[in-house]
Amino acid sequence: QVQLVESGGGVVQPGGSLRLSCAASGFTFSSYGMHWVRQAPGKGLEWVAFIRYDGSNKYYADSVKGRFTISRDNSKNTLYLQMNSLRAEDTAVYYCAKAVRFLDQIDYWGQGTLVTVSS
Amino acid sequence: QTVVTQEPSFSVSPGGTVTLTCGLSSGSVSTSYYPSWYQQTPGQAPRTLIYSTNTRSSGVPDRFSGSILGNKAALTITGAQADDESDYYCVLYMGSGSWVFGGGTKLTVL
Repeated sequence: QVQLVESGGGVVQPGGSLRLSCAASGFTFSSYGMHWVRQAPGKGLEWVAFIRYDGSNKYYADSVKGRFTISRDNSKNTLYLQMNSLRAEDTAVYYCAKAVRFLDQIDYWGQGTLVTVSS
Repeated sequence: QTVVTQEPSFSVSPGGTVTLTCGLSSGSVSTSYYPSWYQQTPGQAPRTLIYSTNTRSSGVPDRFSGSILGNKAALTITGAQADDESDYYCVLYMGSGSWVFGGGTKLTVL
Protein backbone atom coordinates (compact mmCIF):
# COMPACT_ATOMS: atom_id res chain seq x y z
CA GLN A 1 0.00 0.00 0.00
CA VAL A 2 1.10 3.58 -0.60
CA GLN A 3 3.01 5.09 2.32
CA LEU A 4 4.34 8.61 2.58
CA VAL A 5 6.29 9.54 5.70
CA GLU A 6 7.39 13.13 6.22
CA SER A 7 10.23 14.16 8.50
CA GLY A 8 12.42 17.17 9.22
CA GLY A 9 9.92 19.50 10.84
CA GLY A 10 10.72 21.47 13.94
CA VAL A 11 11.16 24.93 15.38
CA VAL A 12 13.27 27.43 13.44
CA GLN A 13 13.89 31.14 13.85
CA PRO A 14 12.63 33.68 11.31
CA GLY A 15 15.08 33.90 8.44
CA GLY A 16 16.30 30.37 9.06
CA SER A 17 16.25 27.26 6.89
CA LEU A 18 14.85 23.77 7.13
CA ARG A 19 14.74 20.76 4.82
CA LEU A 20 11.75 18.44 4.85
CA SER A 21 11.91 14.88 3.55
CA CYS A 22 9.18 12.49 2.46
CA ALA A 23 10.01 8.80 2.24
CA ALA A 24 7.77 6.98 -0.23
CA SER A 25 6.96 3.28 -0.49
CA GLY A 26 4.34 0.97 -1.91
CA PHE A 27 4.47 2.37 -5.45
CA THR A 28 6.99 3.09 -8.20
CA PHE A 29 8.08 6.49 -6.92
CA SER A 30 9.98 7.42 -10.09
CA SER A 31 6.78 7.22 -12.17
CA TYR A 32 4.68 9.78 -10.27
CA GLY A 33 4.60 13.51 -9.71
CA MET A 34 4.62 14.70 -6.12
CA HIS A 35 3.20 17.70 -4.25
CA TRP A 36 3.81 19.56 -1.03
CA VAL A 37 0.71 21.06 0.62
CA ARG A 38 0.63 22.94 3.92
CA GLN A 39 -1.93 23.85 6.54
CA ALA A 40 -1.43 26.65 9.03
CA PRO A 41 -2.86 26.02 12.52
CA GLY A 42 -6.65 26.27 12.38
CA LYS A 43 -6.60 27.22 8.70
CA GLY A 44 -7.31 25.58 5.36
CA LEU A 45 -5.07 23.76 2.93
CA GLU A 46 -2.58 25.65 0.75
CA TRP A 47 -0.80 24.13 -2.22
CA VAL A 48 2.96 24.77 -2.02
CA ALA A 49 4.84 23.01 -4.82
CA PHE A 50 4.76 20.23 -7.42
CA ILE A 51 7.51 18.26 -9.15
CA ARG A 52 7.14 15.98 -12.15
CA TYR A 53 8.06 12.31 -11.96
CA ASP A 54 11.53 12.88 -13.35
CA GLY A 55 12.19 16.25 -11.75
CA SER A 56 12.09 17.95 -15.16
CA ASN A 57 9.52 20.55 -14.12
CA LYS A 58 8.90 22.23 -10.80
CA TYR A 59 6.11 24.61 -9.86
CA TYR A 60 5.60 26.82 -6.83
CA ALA A 61 2.93 28.90 -5.14
CA ASP A 62 3.65 32.63 -5.31
CA SER A 63 3.89 32.70 -1.52
CA VAL A 64 7.01 30.51 -1.51
CA LYS A 65 8.56 31.17 -4.93
CA GLY A 66 12.22 32.08 -4.62
CA ARG A 67 12.43 30.79 -1.03
CA PHE A 68 11.44 27.12 -1.27
CA THR A 69 12.88 24.43 -3.55
CA ILE A 70 11.22 21.09 -4.27
CA SER A 71 13.42 18.20 -5.37
CA ARG A 72 13.47 14.42 -5.45
CA ASP A 73 15.92 11.53 -5.42
CA ASN A 74 14.32 8.69 -7.32
CA SER A 75 17.13 6.33 -6.32
CA LYS A 76 16.16 6.86 -2.67
CA ASN A 77 12.37 7.12 -3.19
CA THR A 78 12.47 10.43 -1.37
CA LEU A 79 10.92 13.85 -1.93
CA TYR A 80 12.39 17.01 -0.42
CA LEU A 81 11.39 20.57 0.34
CA GLN A 82 14.22 22.99 1.06
CA MET A 83 12.81 26.01 2.88
CA ASN A 84 14.92 29.17 3.19
CA SER A 85 14.23 32.66 4.52
CA LEU A 86 11.45 31.28 6.68
CA ARG A 87 8.76 33.59 7.98
CA ALA A 88 6.22 33.31 10.79
CA GLU A 89 3.50 32.80 8.19
CA ASP A 90 5.25 29.63 6.99
CA THR A 91 4.28 27.97 10.28
CA ALA A 92 2.15 24.98 9.26
CA VAL A 93 1.84 21.24 8.98
CA TYR A 94 3.50 20.25 5.71
CA TYR A 95 2.05 17.28 3.83
CA CYS A 96 3.67 15.45 0.96
CA ALA A 97 1.23 13.94 -1.49
CA LYS A 98 1.41 11.59 -4.43
CA ALA A 99 -0.13 12.59 -7.75
CA VAL A 100 -2.29 10.49 -10.03
CA ARG A 101 -0.20 9.35 -12.97
CA PHE A 102 -0.54 11.63 -16.03
CA LEU A 103 -3.12 13.81 -14.24
CA ASP A 104 -0.99 15.49 -11.54
CA GLN A 105 -3.85 15.60 -9.05
CA ILE A 106 -3.38 14.27 -5.53
CA ASP A 107 -4.54 10.77 -4.62
CA TYR A 108 -2.53 9.88 -1.50
CA TRP A 109 -1.34 12.00 1.42
CA GLY A 110 1.27 11.61 4.11
CA GLN A 111 0.57 12.32 7.78
CA GLY A 112 2.42 15.64 7.77
CA THR A 113 5.25 17.27 9.70
CA LEU A 114 4.93 20.46 11.74
CA VAL A 115 7.14 23.44 11.00
CA THR A 116 7.09 26.28 13.52
CA VAL A 117 8.83 29.55 12.69
CA SER A 118 9.29 31.53 15.87
CA SER A 119 11.94 33.45 17.76
CA GLN B 1 -6.02 36.98 -7.84
CA THR B 2 -8.71 34.36 -8.43
CA VAL B 3 -10.31 32.98 -5.29
CA VAL B 4 -11.81 29.50 -5.04
CA THR B 5 -15.06 29.69 -3.11
CA GLN B 6 -16.77 27.11 -0.90
CA GLU B 7 -19.65 27.32 1.55
CA PRO B 8 -18.11 27.90 5.01
CA SER B 9 -20.52 25.47 6.60
CA PHE B 10 -23.34 23.10 5.78
CA SER B 11 -25.51 20.68 7.69
CA VAL B 12 -27.25 17.49 6.69
CA SER B 13 -29.48 15.03 8.48
CA PRO B 14 -28.37 11.42 8.88
CA GLY B 15 -29.41 9.52 5.76
CA GLY B 16 -29.87 12.73 3.83
CA THR B 17 -28.21 14.09 0.72
CA VAL B 18 -26.02 17.18 0.56
CA THR B 19 -24.25 18.93 -2.28
CA LEU B 20 -21.20 21.07 -1.58
CA THR B 21 -19.95 23.41 -4.26
CA CYS B 22 -16.65 24.86 -5.43
CA GLY B 23 -16.70 28.03 -7.48
CA LEU B 24 -14.54 30.87 -8.72
CA SER B 25 -14.67 34.50 -7.65
CA SER B 26 -14.54 35.30 -11.35
CA GLY B 27 -15.67 32.88 -14.02
CA SER B 28 -17.05 29.38 -14.21
CA VAL B 29 -15.56 26.07 -13.16
CA SER B 30 -15.34 23.48 -15.92
CA THR B 31 -13.73 20.07 -16.24
CA SER B 32 -10.64 21.89 -17.52
CA TYR B 33 -9.96 22.91 -13.92
CA TYR B 34 -9.76 19.20 -12.95
CA PRO B 35 -11.59 19.76 -9.64
CA SER B 36 -10.67 17.46 -6.79
CA TRP B 37 -12.26 16.96 -3.38
CA TYR B 38 -10.71 16.03 -0.04
CA GLN B 39 -12.12 15.11 3.34
CA GLN B 40 -10.34 16.00 6.57
CA THR B 41 -11.26 15.28 10.17
CA PRO B 42 -9.59 17.24 12.99
CA GLY B 43 -6.00 16.21 13.64
CA GLN B 44 -5.86 13.93 10.61
CA ALA B 45 -4.32 14.19 7.18
CA PRO B 46 -6.66 14.88 4.28
CA ARG B 47 -8.12 11.97 2.34
CA THR B 48 -8.78 12.17 -1.37
CA LEU B 49 -12.41 11.53 -2.35
CA ILE B 50 -12.68 12.69 -5.96
CA TYR B 51 -10.26 13.83 -8.66
CA SER B 52 -10.72 14.94 -12.27
CA THR B 53 -14.24 16.15 -11.53
CA ASN B 54 -15.87 12.76 -10.94
CA THR B 55 -13.31 9.95 -10.50
CA ARG B 56 -13.53 8.36 -7.06
CA SER B 57 -10.23 7.65 -5.39
CA SER B 58 -9.43 4.11 -4.34
CA GLY B 59 -11.66 2.82 -1.54
CA VAL B 60 -14.08 5.74 -1.58
CA PRO B 61 -17.71 4.57 -1.35
CA ASP B 62 -20.09 5.46 -4.17
CA ARG B 63 -22.08 7.62 -1.74
CA PHE B 64 -19.59 10.30 -2.75
CA SER B 65 -19.85 11.68 -6.27
CA GLY B 66 -18.44 14.64 -8.14
CA SER B 67 -19.87 16.69 -10.98
CA ILE B 68 -20.16 20.10 -12.56
CA LEU B 69 -23.39 21.84 -11.59
CA GLY B 70 -23.99 25.05 -13.45
CA ASN B 71 -20.82 27.09 -13.11
CA LYS B 72 -19.38 25.23 -10.14
CA ALA B 73 -17.85 21.89 -9.27
CA ALA B 74 -19.96 19.88 -6.87
CA LEU B 75 -19.50 17.09 -4.34
CA THR B 76 -22.66 15.17 -3.50
CA ILE B 77 -22.91 12.92 -0.49
CA THR B 78 -25.91 10.61 -0.38
CA GLY B 79 -27.03 8.65 2.67
CA ALA B 80 -25.02 10.88 5.00
CA GLN B 81 -23.49 9.12 7.98
CA ALA B 82 -22.21 10.44 11.29
CA ASP B 83 -18.60 9.88 10.28
CA ASP B 84 -19.08 12.10 7.21
CA GLU B 85 -18.90 15.02 9.64
CA SER B 86 -15.64 16.60 8.47
CA ASP B 87 -14.08 19.50 6.64
CA TYR B 88 -14.26 19.22 2.87
CA TYR B 89 -11.83 21.00 0.56
CA CYS B 90 -11.82 21.39 -3.18
CA VAL B 91 -8.83 22.30 -5.32
CA LEU B 92 -8.76 23.63 -8.86
CA TYR B 93 -5.94 23.48 -11.38
CA MET B 94 -5.43 27.05 -12.57
CA GLY B 95 -3.02 26.16 -15.36
CA SER B 96 0.73 26.75 -15.71
CA GLY B 97 1.44 24.39 -12.85
CA SER B 98 -0.66 26.13 -10.23
CA TRP B 99 -3.32 24.74 -7.93
CA VAL B 100 -5.60 26.73 -5.62
CA PHE B 101 -7.57 25.29 -2.72
CA GLY B 102 -10.93 26.56 -1.60
CA GLY B 103 -11.36 27.68 1.99
CA GLY B 104 -13.16 24.48 2.95
CA THR B 105 -16.67 23.57 4.08
CA LYS B 106 -17.36 22.33 7.58
CA LEU B 107 -20.07 19.68 7.28
CA THR B 108 -22.20 18.86 10.28
CA VAL B 109 -24.36 15.73 10.38
CA LEU B 110 -27.26 16.23 12.77
